[in-house]
Amino acid sequence: DGGITQSPKYLFRKEGQNVTLSCEQNLNHDAMYWYRQDPGQGLRLIYYSQIVNDFQKGDIAEGYSVSREKKESFPLTVTSAQKNPTAFYLCASSIRGIGGTGELFFGEGSRLTVL
Amino acid sequence: SQQGEEDPQALSIQEGENATMNCSYKTSINNLQWYRQNSGRGLVHLILIRSNEREKHSGRLRVTLDTSKKSSSLLITASRAADTASYFCATDNFGNEKLTFGTGTRLTIIP
Repeated sequence: DGGITQSPKYLFRKEGQNVTLSCEQNLNHDAMYWYRQDPGQGLRLIYYSQIVNDFQKGDIAEGYSVSREKKESFPLTVTSAQKNPTAFYLCASSIRGIGGTGELFFGEGSRLTVL
Repeated sequence: SQQGEEDPQALSIQEGENATMNCSYKTSINNLQWYRQNSGRGLVHLILIRSNEREKHSGRLRVTLDTSKKSSSLLITASRAADTASYFCATDNFGNEKLTFGTGTRLTIIP
């Protein structure tokens, strides 16, 4: 079945450690996105990529890094520079269309807790 | 920055009643989308309405868009317990290649 797979679903980290969240899609979508969601809040964009080997900062990129070496994969690294990393992280993908962003397909999320 | 603001923040209704949620935004859009999120899960796309459309239907869902007021509404008719979830609007703004999400409306359907 086509879809987006995020792993791990739950992750615990000690302060000062970097962690990498995986996001893989088999939908053949060009565009991929990382959002952060805090309890009771909306989604805030961290990074996005419209094409392989290219990505742009979103609204809250500080303390995060990404890579896009393959069309299917868009891993997110939460670095020790991120001051408040405990959150629910959501990866999404979409067809890169003309005239606007289309429907986003989301993974099931990764919940990161910093101890 | 948050583009969309949903209203109300929370809504509780009896099963079978209709639920209406509103979304306001600030800048011109290409399209506006509505998503549903069950607790602890990813978001699921419900409906997309383009800036040149005024109303769209999908099953029990009805979405309206008023670009002059920069607002949209989502109506869920004949609500069911399974409709209990958070609902988000998201805007695709001119010049951007990304969606900006609102803060969501938490809908609870009481059996």
